[in-house]
Amino acid sequence: EAGVAQSPRYKIIEKRQSVAFWCNPISGHATLYWYQQILGQGPKLLIQFQNNGVVDDSQLPKDRFSAERLKGVDSTLKIQPAKLEDSAVYLCASSPEDFHNTDTQYFGPGTRLTVL
Amino acid sequence: QKEVEQNSGPLSVPEGAIASLNCTYSDRGSQSFFWYRQYSGKSPELIMFIYSNGDKEDGRFTAQLNKASQYVSLLIRDSQPSDSATYLCAVNGYGGSQGNLIFGKGTKLSVKP
Repeated sequence: EAGVAQSPRYKIIEKRQSVAFWCNPISGHATLYWYQQILGQGPKLLIQFQNNGVVDDSQLPKDRFSAERLKGVDSTLKIQPAKLEDSAVYLCASSPEDFHNTDTQYFGPGTRLTVL
Repeated sequence: QKEVEQNSGPLSVPEGAIASLNCTYSDRGSQSFFWYRQYSGKSPELIMFIYSNGDKEDGRFTAQLNKASQYVSLLIRDSQPSDSATYLCAVNGYGGSQGNLIFGKGTKLSVKP
């Protein structure tokens, strides 16, 4: 079974530029998550989709971040314009079913963003 | 503000010893608890989950949960150098579902040969 795919793996941009990350979850997984992990910290949820609907985006900085999951499969996370503090690893995860205590989130390899 | 607290370490143990990793959480409504391992430069991978008070064992790993004390721990027996990584404690954000996970900052474990 193929894992969660993300691209690009690395991205370097200057502040005020825009950037987009792509995620392809494990086939059949209904729930998709985007996390931001700043160096030395644990991942922080940005947005959670179930199929193509948003379940939770309470921690997404909506003035600059946006995300979509068209057709309930792939997802794109965009930052526009980027700030220095956006430098982090952006992790995508998926799980086959929500609302189950023993569910498991499978993480992709992440995209390391550096904002100069 | 729901919080998950971990000692950042580093925790250093000799090979073959027991490593004990601890985590406390603030939300009494949390029902699912997870331990992830993250090697440097890699993404988190699930080691264990627990949702009932007591101990849960899987190979060399034992998770312990005490909801009254809002405390969860991970014991690693017969520690190996390959166990050297950051261990992330995560707690579900919604009662009764995994959904939104809240992570601690992680404890860095170093196992010395």
